[in-house]
Amino acid sequence: DIQMTQSPSSLSASVGDRVTITCRASQGINSYLAWFQQKPGKAPKSLIYAASTLQSGVPSKFSGSGSGTDFTLTISSLQPEDFATYYCQQYKSYPRTFGQGTKVEIK
Amino acid sequence: QVQLVESGGGVVQPGRSLRLSCAASGFTFSSYAMHWVRQAPGKGLEWVAVISYDVGDKHYTDSVKGRFTISRDNSKNTLYLQMNSLRAEDTGVYYCARDTSAPFDSWGQGTLVTVSS
Repeated sequence: DIQMTQSPSSLSASVGDRVTITCRASQGINSYLAWFQQKPGKAPKSLIYAASTLQSGVPSKFSGSGSGTDFTLTISSLQPEDFATYYCQQYKSYPRTFGQGTKVEIK
Repeated sequence: QVQLVESGGGVVQPGRSLRLSCAASGFTFSSYAMHWVRQAPGKGLEWVAVISYDVGDKHYTDSVKGRFTISRDNSKNTLYLQMNSLRAEDTGVYYCARDTSAPFDSWGQGTLVTVSS
């Protein structure tokens, strides 16, 4: 199975900050990487797929990069509605595996 | 618009069974693979199972193999998850999600399964 490791597990940031979350795959997954946002008590929401393609309707402050084993999600200017938990997921092979999540909290 | 609505969750004793449903609308259900994903209380997301659009292909995470069965009825636009021999560690919110070239682009609101004596 492909293991996905996110870092950090949590971070504190202020409104307006630039935030970067890293996701590392235990083996190469090309660009078969997606990012999701989840707020408490809500279903996850797709943000990015194919490592860097924005899902329809997702604001351009979100961006993704990387290929192979190392990926990043960047939020260019953190807004109050962005405080949530973010997950990466590989979809190169089964079982589809998620990272453990990164909780973005208000400083 | 795309809508996925899960149902069938509840409280069940260890060793018993439960069947979850996911009713789809707003898209051509029979054209898409569908997944189940679960989330234990306070924990992260765990992929559970997938079924191809034509039922020809299914995959499961190891921890549910032999106990859970994913199925679908394309005439009813409904996805199912039959869960047998339930364990305490199966407790959580179960989501269905659509698979496209942009995987998991749509999710249901989830249904809570609690396995407890």
